[in-house]
Amino acid sequence: EIVLTQSPATLSLSPGERATLSCRASQDVSSYLAWYQQKPGQAPRLLIYDASKRATGIPARFSGSGSETDFTLTISSLEPEDFALYYCQQRNSWPWTFGLGTKVEIE
Amino acid sequence: QVQLVESGGGLVKPGGSLRLSCAGAGFSFSDHYMLWIRQTPGKGLECVSDIRSGGSTIYYADSVKGRFTISRDNARNSLYLQMNSLRAEDTAVYFCATGPTGYYPPPLQYWGRGTLVTVSS
Repeated sequence: EIVLTQSPATLSLSPGERATLSCRASQDVSSYLAWYQQKPGQAPRLLIYDASKRATGIPARFSGSGSETDFTLTISSLEPEDFALYYCQQRNSWPWTFGLGTKVEIE
Repeated sequence: QVQLVESGGGLVKPGGSLRLSCAGAGFSFSDHYMLWIRQTPGKGLECVSDIRSGGSTIYYADSVKGRFTISRDNARNSLYLQMNSLRAEDTAVYFCATGPTGYYPPPLQYWGRGTLVTVSS
């Protein structure tokens, strides 16, 4: 099973700041890495797939990069609605696995 | 637009059974790969089982193999998860999810709101 390690666990930032979230895979997942946002009481929402492709309707301030084992989600300028939990997920080999998440909180 | 609605969750005793359903609407259900995912505060998000559009390929997480059975009824636009021999560690919110066709597996663009399963005596 591929383990995804997200860092940091918590990111304390202010609106307007840049957020950089990391996801490291225990094995090569090629570019089959996605990022999701989750708010309390809601299902996860797809932000980025195939490492760098924005999902439909996702603002341009969200961007993804990386390949093989090291990936980054960047939020260029945090909006109030961006404070949430973020998960990475690989779909290169079953079982598809998720990281434990990074919480982006208001400083 | 795409809608996924789970049902069938509830409180069940250890060793008991539950059948979850997921009703799809607003898309061509029969063309889509489907997946059950569960979420707990401790273990996070776990992919439980998936099934391809025609039902020909099915995978299970090791934690549920032999106890859970995934199935689909494309005529009813529905996905199911039969859960037997339930354990306390199966307590979770269960989501169904899918994504665009043309990928296997797809990125999970569409999720239901989830149904809570609690296994407790």
